Amino acid sequence: SQTIHQWPATLVQPVGSPLSLECTVEGTSNPNLYWYRQAAGRGLQLLFYSVGIGQISSEVPQNLSASRPQDRQFILSSKKLLLSDSGFYLCAWSPPGQGESPLHFGNGTRLTVT
Amino acid sequence: QQQVKQSPQSLIVQKGGISIINCAYENTAFDYFPWYQQFPGKGPALLIAIRPDVSEKKEGRFTISFNKSAKQFSLHIMDSQPGDSATYFCAASLPGGNQAGTALIFGKGTTLSVSS
Repeated sequence: SQTIHQWPATLVQPVGSPLSLECTVEGTSNPNLYWYRQAAGRGLQLLFYSVGIGQISSEVPQNLSASRPQDRQFILSSKKLLLSDSGFYLCAWSPPGQGESPLHFGNGTRLTVT
Repeated sequence: QQQVKQSPQSLIVQKGGISIINCAYENTAFDYFPWYQQFPGKGPALLIAIRPDVSEKKEGRFTISFNKSAKQFSLHIMDSQPGDSATYFCAASLPGGNQAGTALIFGKGTTLSVSS
């Protein structure tokens, strides 16, 4: 069966510090991978998605970036965090090349920028 | 046109009652409408989904009602239980589903509290 791992679960970082959140998927190959951010009252905002190694598409311009160094690894990064980067970050995957396959979410990282 | 508008933002229902959450969309090209359930500290999980060629889909106590002409769909939770207390998100996607470029567009969520 497929599983998705996301860490850390919580993170408190000062403004201006770097960020690295990691997500890995097991039990599937060539998944579509996604990073979402969830802010209170604002729903789920798609940040990045990837259909393959090294292929990243950005939905929202900001000081965050994403990378996919391996087939089932997706990393969210920032060189300098802003207060506005605080939120709940969710990684998700879906099977490649399928129609209405559901998104499978990790348990998220609660990021607080102080 | 790519928005999905969800209401209400929060909902309190007594145990055994019916919880109703509504969503509306503008883009008639959307062809897949899932609902996700999220418990505190967890990621959302697919609850139930519908395509526009049917008007209703029922799974246990959860029912999606779909009104294509009104461009609206709703989630009904029958016999609501305290364990149903969670945040619910409606979503929509274009043909192609979750393939990159047609990722799900989510509503802003409804926080449901079921009192015992």
